[in-house]
Amino acid sequence: DAKTTQPPSMDCAEGRAANLPCNHSTISGNEYVYWYRQIHSQGPQYIIHGLKNNETNEMASLIITEDRKSSTLILPHATLRDTAVYYCIVGGNQAGTALIFGKGTTLSVSS
Amino acid sequence: DGGITQSPKYLFRKEGQNVTLSCEQNLNHDAMYWYRQDPGQGLRLIYYSQIVNDFQKGDIAEGYSVSREKKESFPLTVTSAQKNPTAFYLCASSTPGQRVNEQFFGPGTRLTVL
Repeated sequence: DAKTTQPPSMDCAEGRAANLPCNHSTISGNEYVYWYRQIHSQGPQYIIHGLKNNETNEMASLIITEDRKSSTLILPHATLRDTAVYYCIVGGNQAGTALIFGKGTTLSVSS
Repeated sequence: DGGITQSPKYLFRKEGQNVTLSCEQNLNHDAMYWYRQDPGQGLRLIYYSQIVNDFQKGDIAEGYSVSREKKESFPLTVTSAQKNPTAFYLCASSTPGQRVNEQFFGPGTRLTVL
């Protein structure tokens, strides 16, 4: 079973920030939080990951709470092309550890 | 360009036939993975391989087999023992070390068993 809980769907207006929440209350000390997204009928795409510090890259920002029990993925200026299923996953970073993809959050960006 | 290729994009087979799905990568990645996705569901891990000539079962390995004879290739065979093989199959790869779970996915193969 997935170790994370995400809302099944969210809506966002184009140009606004999309904030996608994720709960992972059973995360262990050496597990990372990963975010992927999947556009319809394509393979998932890695977005970002973090351990306990906030992270930012060209795609998104990841905010992890101090107790690490939840996190938020932020797309600062959502576009129509950001419409996808977003997966929040916790897992180790050692070779051979498998990622468990749950059902994710379907983000719909509209104009 | 570097990437992962899966072929074919769509595959149709008759019930009871074995079928092999191709996955090739030119990213020089050591680790490769096979996932299955059913409509409206997340991905489930079938098999993964950390290195050539080695692979491990994932959560739903029954009815599937794999081989890893070359670093670039990780074919998946769906056997007649798989009870419900119709699904979207995704292959992924990653580099070892701290970025091992930054997985790169192929475009997928949609298998339909008639």
